Amino acid sequence: EDQVTQSPEALRLQEGESSSLNCSYTVSGLRGLFWYRQDPGKGPEFLFTLYSAGEEKEKERLKATLTKKESFLHITAPKPEDSATYLCAASNSGGYQKVTFGTGTKLQVIP
Amino acid sequence: SQTIHQWPATLVQPVGSPLSLECTVEGTSNPNLYWYRQAAGRGLQLLFYSVGIGQISSEVPQNLSASRPQDRQFILSSKKLLLSDSGFYLCAWSVIGSEKLFFGSGTQLSVL
Repeated sequence: EDQVTQSPEALRLQEGESSSLNCSYTVSGLRGLFWYRQDPGKGPEFLFTLYSAGEEKEKERLKATLTKKESFLHITAPKPEDSATYLCAASNSGGYQKVTFGTGTKLQVIP
Repeated sequence: SQTIHQWPATLVQPVGSPLSLECTVEGTSNPNLYWYRQAAGRGLQLLFYSVGIGQISSEVPQNLSASRPQDRQFILSSKKLLLSDSGFYLCAWSVIGSEKLFFGSGTQLSVL
């Protein structure tokens, strides 16, 4: 059974304090690794897709990286508006587009 | 551009009452459509997905059902709600062949 595990569950940072969120996955035949941002009471918003080990994607203060076992979401010099829950998800090479989600990391950036 | 509409935003229903949540997608044709449920402390759980009109696949046995009467309309229903049906329900769509999901704004369902 596919599994996606995120750590830490919650992270509190001072504004400008860089850090990383971890996503470890066990998926039979990874097709894609996804990162989403979710604000309270809202649906998740797509951030990145990574397809192969060594791949990196960047968007503003966020950079996602992928290895054969895990993915990291690096947050550089975060701002309070980066506060949200960040979800990791992985899809396998099965017969349809099955996506398994982690439980998320709740990030709080304090001014 | 593509947009997804999901309503209502919040819903409070008594145990045993029926349920109907609706989702529509604009700006794309023949999307894959999904219903997810999100419970506190748990990952998003896929409930149903559809690759075309009238084609529904269920991921978990439960008290809910789904229908796709039109290409860009997806409906989640129940004949009799249970307390355990409470949660945050999300509709999503994707382009065929892609796992990149676009989510609606969600419905917070409380069954009392």
